[in-house]
Amino acid sequence: QSVLTQPPSVSGAPGQRVTISCTGTSSNIGAGYDVHWYQQTPGSAPKLLIYLTDNRPSGVSDRFSGYKSATSASLAISWLQTEDDAFYYCQSYDSSLSGSVFGGGTKLTVL
Amino acid sequence: QVQLVQSGTEVKKPGASVKVTCKTSGYSFTNYAMQWVRQDPGQRLEWMGWINGGSGVTKYSKKFQGRVTITRDTSASTAYMELSSLTSEDTAVYYCARAAAGSYDEWGQGTLVTVSS
Repeated sequence: QSVLTQPPSVSGAPGQRVTISCTGTSSNIGAGYDVHWYQQTPGSAPKLLIYLTDNRPSGVSDRFSGYKSATSASLAISWLQTEDDAFYYCQSYDSSLSGSVFGGGTKLTVL
Repeated sequence: QVQLVQSGTEVKKPGASVKVTCKTSGYSFTNYAMQWVRQDPGQRLEWMGWINGGSGVTKYSKKFQGRVTITRDTSASTAYMELSSLTSEDTAVYYCARAAAGSYDEWGQGTLVTVSS
């Protein structure tokens, strides 16, 4: 059971927009801690996609955007491409656990 | 460019210990913290702990406290993670990841640790 809750899977057709939610509690996202997002393809390490809730590292497409409100955060992917087919994880800090916490991961299938 | 290169696959017996190496290059090792994260066969990611590359101060997840030791060698720009008293539940891919502003901006390639009798 992961501390942050993500849907196990989402899907969309090329060109569509999808969102992936990440629900936390008052000791992590709700406490104001930033949320970060990672993309992972099979056989590879996770790659930082969004940091500090809504910032993209250099080289990450502006089709990816992050949002946060209350005790949840979202990753939006617009203009879906086949290369976006991957797992996505959210991450934050939890004050009661005194450490980083992750979501369980969401498999995005581009139909 | 920044690189984090981890040691190779390990197979261990229950009760044994494993030590994973993370050799870095392309940045100032002492200016960043290094985190250790593992990914279980169900693809879940789990934070284990971190070490301040400069001071050597460590912080461990409560789940692994007492079983995990993270160290570093600044002269070799290398971090290490040792996990003891292994059980089958510790079978996972172990990653080192550079910490930046609360996120992990660079990752090693991962080290598969299999615990089996």
